[in-house]
Amino acid sequence: EPEVTQTPSHQVTQMGQEVILRCVPISNHLYFYWYRQILGQKVEFLVSFYNNEISEKSEIFDDQFSVERPDGSNFTLKIRSTKLEDSAMYFCASSDVISGYTDTQYFGPGTRLTVL
Amino acid sequence: GESVGLHLPTLSVQEGDNSIINCAYSNSASDYFIWYKQESGKGPQFIIDIRSNMDKRQGQRVTVLLNKTVKHLSLQIAATQPGDSAVYFCAEMYDTGRRALTFGSGTRLQVQP
Repeated sequence: EPEVTQTPSHQVTQMGQEVILRCVPISNHLYFYWYRQILGQKVEFLVSFYNNEISEKSEIFDDQFSVERPDGSNFTLKIRSTKLEDSAMYFCASSDVISGYTDTQYFGPGTRLTVL
Repeated sequence: GESVGLHLPTLSVQEGDNSIINCAYSNSASDYFIWYKQESGKGPQFIIDIRSNMDKRQGQRVTVLLNKTVKHLSLQIAATQPGDSAVYFCAEMYDTGRRALTFGSGTRLQVQP
């Protein structure tokens, strides 16, 4: 069964450093997403991406964040200058579009980001 | 305001019993609702979804009920098994033009053997 994969599973970084979280969405999907979950809290939407551009972003997704689809299979989230409060699980998701209807978003296993 | 919330943070059931997990939402414009299961250290796993033009949908051992009058969503799990132990989230999508999911705070289901 196709699944979303993410690397690394755990990333530890120093405050102020740049990190890149990587995702391989399900191959025939067209929409890609990043969500985050701070420990013990809700899953929060960050950004959605379609047709090589951001289609929607939340207020969390400020100028320190960026997304990219560098090739036909990868989807990345870059955090330019990490802060302590960026420590969280980051989930990638993807979905297809069938006949114009929203399709299910399938989530990856997540990357745990720890900022020291 | 717009919110998705859960009535109970923890639900404990006996193996073999049926489980009912509830969720309230406040945005009457929400078009699509999903239940996800999250096991420790893993990402949300899709269980079942329902669109606003339906009031019931069934899957394998799971049923989702939508009551738009009182803005209430429930997930019923039949014959609960130890493997069902997890945190369950409801999520809503306001409309198909905005694909961001808004998640509730989660209910932990504990299945007692």
